[in-house]
Amino acid sequence: EAGVAQSPRYKIIEKRQSVAFWCNPISGHATLYWYQQILGQGPKLLIQFQNNGVVDDSQLPKDRFSAERLKGVDSTLKIQPAKLEDSAVYLCASSIGQGRGGELFFGEGSRLTVL
Amino acid sequence: AQTVTQSQPEMSVQEAETVTLSCTYDTSESDYYLFWYKQPPSRQMILVIRQEAYKQQNATENRFSVNFQKAAKSFSLKISDSQLGDAAMYFCAYRSDTGTASKLTFGTGTRLQVTL
Repeated sequence: EAGVAQSPRYKIIEKRQSVAFWCNPISGHATLYWYQQILGQGPKLLIQFQNNGVVDDSQLPKDRFSAERLKGVDSTLKIQPAKLEDSAVYLCASSIGQGRGGELFFGEGSRLTVL
Repeated sequence: AQTVTQSQPEMSVQEAETVTLSCTYDTSESDYYLFWYKQPPSRQMILVIRQEAYKQQNATENRFSVNFQKAAKSFSLKISDSQLGDAAMYFCAYRSDTGTASKLTFGTGTRLQVTL
């Protein structure tokens, strides 16, 4: 079974530039999550989708971050304009449903460096 | 808001020995789930073990077991017969069982080194 796919693995940009990350979840997984993991910290949820609807985006900096999940499958996370503090690993995860005891399956992440 | 605290930034264990990683959490809820996730250097996180708060019995998965103390809000992970492949970051995580949207809240992690 294919896992959660993310691209690109690495991205270096200058501040005020824009960047986009792509995620393809495990087939059949209705719930998709984007996490931000800053060095030395645990992952922090940015946004959660159930199919193509947003369930939780309370910690998404909406002035610069946006995310979409068209057709309820793959998803794109965009940052525009980027700030130095956005340097982090962006993790995508998926789960079969919203069952709270359910396992999240993570991708390998996209490491962003903002100079 | 729920918080998860891992007070050990780094731990070291010799191969074949046992190590315990600590985790405490703060919540006013009675129904929730607790998890331990492992993140090897490749960065893909995988689930190690989970515990439902309503269950008194501690969860066990092969060499991994937890000590769940609900009243003390403590959830430690014990790794027995440690192997080189156990070296990784370990994150403790909490998830509420109430509400329409319940996010997984992670601690700051413990880096485990396994030595020969």
